[in-house]
Amino acid sequence: GESVGLHLPTLSVQEGDNSIINCAYSNSASDYFIWYKQESGKGPQFIIDIRSNMDKRQGQRVTVLLNKTVKHLSLQIAATQPGDSAVYFCAEIHNQGGKLIFGQGTELSVKP
Amino acid sequence: DAMVIQNPRYQVTQFGKPVTLSCSQTLNHNVMYWYQQKSSQAPKLLFHYYDKDFNNEADTPDNFQSRRPNTSFCFLDIRSPGLGDAAMYLCATSRATKRTGESGYTFGSGTRLTVV
Repeated sequence: GESVGLHLPTLSVQEGDNSIINCAYSNSASDYFIWYKQESGKGPQFIIDIRSNMDKRQGQRVTVLLNKTVKHLSLQIAATQPGDSAVYFCAEIHNQGGKLIFGQGTELSVKP
Repeated sequence: DAMVIQNPRYQVTQFGKPVTLSCSQTLNHNVMYWYQQKSSQAPKLLFHYYDKDFNNEADTPDNFQSRRPNTSFCFLDIRSPGLGDAAMYLCATSRATKRTGESGYTFGSGTRLTVV
């Protein structure tokens, strides 16, 4: 069977609270970043993206912040709902070759 | 709806028996990717096709091969599956141009491979 996986960092929040999920990326030359949501047994689902010429981008209930100085990305989810429970991955595009490389995920658990 | 479709959703294969996973897309994207995702881990890029050009990751085992007969289809061949190859295999596509870079990354639902 599968090898034993690593334990993902877990964030547990109360329904209605705001969630902040953090990610450190590896390549200072990356110029495009994406947050994905992955529910159990499903493929990653696009949430929001940001280019390196921006430091903030807002979507519906979600905001992505980019700090290039410290190579840090965060995803903020407002008024977290039980349906937001999933694993969240940040991903970066290395601008040499355009490959989408995933960072370590965070498991978000929303308590009703 | 335009999408990325992976078949089958679940695949059981015997140790050492070659297996092929398939991916098709209706997005007309020129780049297709294969990722391996093990339990509680991030998807790991195995290789990708930029148009017809095959790009292998340095640490992808030789046991993994890929074919892209046309724009719409891409296959992942595992020549001799081992127990450690049991994982979720994800196909993704994107649209890339030299001028605008990459965009529109879209993932399929994945094929979960079990090796017995």
